[in-house]
Amino acid sequence: DSGVTQTPKHLITATGQRVTLRCSPRSGDLSVYWYQQSLDQGLQFLIQYYNGEERAKGNILERFSAQQFPDLHSELNLSSLELGDSALYFCASSVDPTSRANEQYFGPGTRLTVT
Amino acid sequence: AQTVTQSQPEMSVQEAETVTLSCTYDTSESNYYLFWYKQPPSRQMILVIRQEAYKQQNATENRFSVNFQKAAKSFSLKISDSQLGDTAMYFCAFMRSTGGFKTIFGAGTRLFVKA
Repeated sequence: DSGVTQTPKHLITATGQRVTLRCSPRSGDLSVYWYQQSLDQGLQFLIQYYNGEERAKGNILERFSAQQFPDLHSELNLSSLELGDSALYFCASSVDPTSRANEQYFGPGTRLTVT
Repeated sequence: AQTVTQSQPEMSVQEAETVTLSCTYDTSESNYYLFWYKQPPSRQMILVIRQEAYKQQNATENRFSVNFQKAAKSFSLKISDSQLGDTAMYFCAFMRSTGGFKTIFGAGTRLFVKA
């Protein structure tokens, strides 16, 4: 158990809908990262937050947005869902991006299925 | 833009033997971090080993070690005394150390350890 929690574990929804994925980082971690892993593919970096502020952005679609709240939990919002958005969404956390090695600890992921 | 290439989609090794997974990357940065992550069938992402680019000494974690060749931009993972539990997808990852901490993952190598 990495200490990073993600809810829900599974989500099934229809095209055109909107969903929110939630992540709670490890205690003491200030930075949260979101990744998308489509079937049998590598992880695609979406976005990173540090202490409530956006710090790095990957190939995140405009239909997707995220935020990190004062209690450091983060939410990833996916709207106007398409079949191709079906994937495993991971959240990871780290203490401080500038710290040595900046190890990221991953949550168990949320499996999103769009039908 | 940074890229990470894992040229071996799939590999197999006999239990107790040694196997090396390859990873090359492309960057113009001089300081960065490199990681190997393991993803077993449970889909949990587990950090195996990390390397800071400014350190010349190769990282070692128990049966796992890396061969980091900075000039060649190569970062291979050696697994010694392979165990059945090492069966998993292995991802090589690059993280820049400045200007945001976007992490780039390779496509992965699926490793099968045979009894």
